[in-house]
Amino acid sequence: EADIYQTPRYLVIGTGKKITLECSQTMGHDKMYWYQQDPGMELHLIHYSYGVNSTEKGDLSSESTVSRIRTEHFPLTLESARPSHTSQYLCASSEYWGESDQSYTFGSGTRLTVV
Amino acid sequence: AQSVTQLDSQVPVFEEAPVELRCNYSSSVSVYLFWYVQYPNQGLQLLLKYLSGSTLVKGINGFEAEFNKSQTSFHLRKPSVHISDTAEYFCAVSNQGGKLIFGQGTELSVKP
Repeated sequence: EADIYQTPRYLVIGTGKKITLECSQTMGHDKMYWYQQDPGMELHLIHYSYGVNSTEKGDLSSESTVSRIRTEHFPLTLESARPSHTSQYLCASSEYWGESDQSYTFGSGTRLTVV
Repeated sequence: AQSVTQLDSQVPVFEEAPVELRCNYSSSVSVYLFWYVQYPNQGLQLLLKYLSGSTLVKGINGFEAEFNKSQTSFHLRKPSVHISDTAEYFCAVSNQGGKLIFGQGTELSVKP
């Protein structure tokens, strides 16, 4: 079944640690996105990619970085985690180029807590 | 620039009652509108979308929304809610080839 997977679902980590949040999709979508969602608040786009070797920063400034070496894989990395990074991170993908149908498929999210 | 405003942060309602979740958008160009639902501890799921054509859009789980260009609104409605509809609902807008911009979310709480 085509889907989008995020691991881990929950992560509690100490300040200063390096972490990578994984996101993989099996649908062959070119476009992929990372959103940050604080409790009870809207989603903010922090990174997106329109294909292999393409990455762009989103509307919300983030200290995280991303890479897109393979179509199906779009990991997010924090070099040195801080309590301010505590949030939920949602990965999404979409299929169409330059068309109207921006139907995103979302992963289940990673809830990150930095202590 | 595009933006989305969801007018209610929380909507409590009793089971089997009708509900309307309000969404207004601003955009200087043609828009495409979406409603997503997020159940606790899950990602977002597409409820329905308006791209063109009929302004009344039907989605999953008995939800529908009406695109009103003159009022720049895209309100979500359901005639009779269930306990299982309790979730966070997000309105979103995009333009052609653009990225999705989400509203602040509305927490729907259905009580027995």
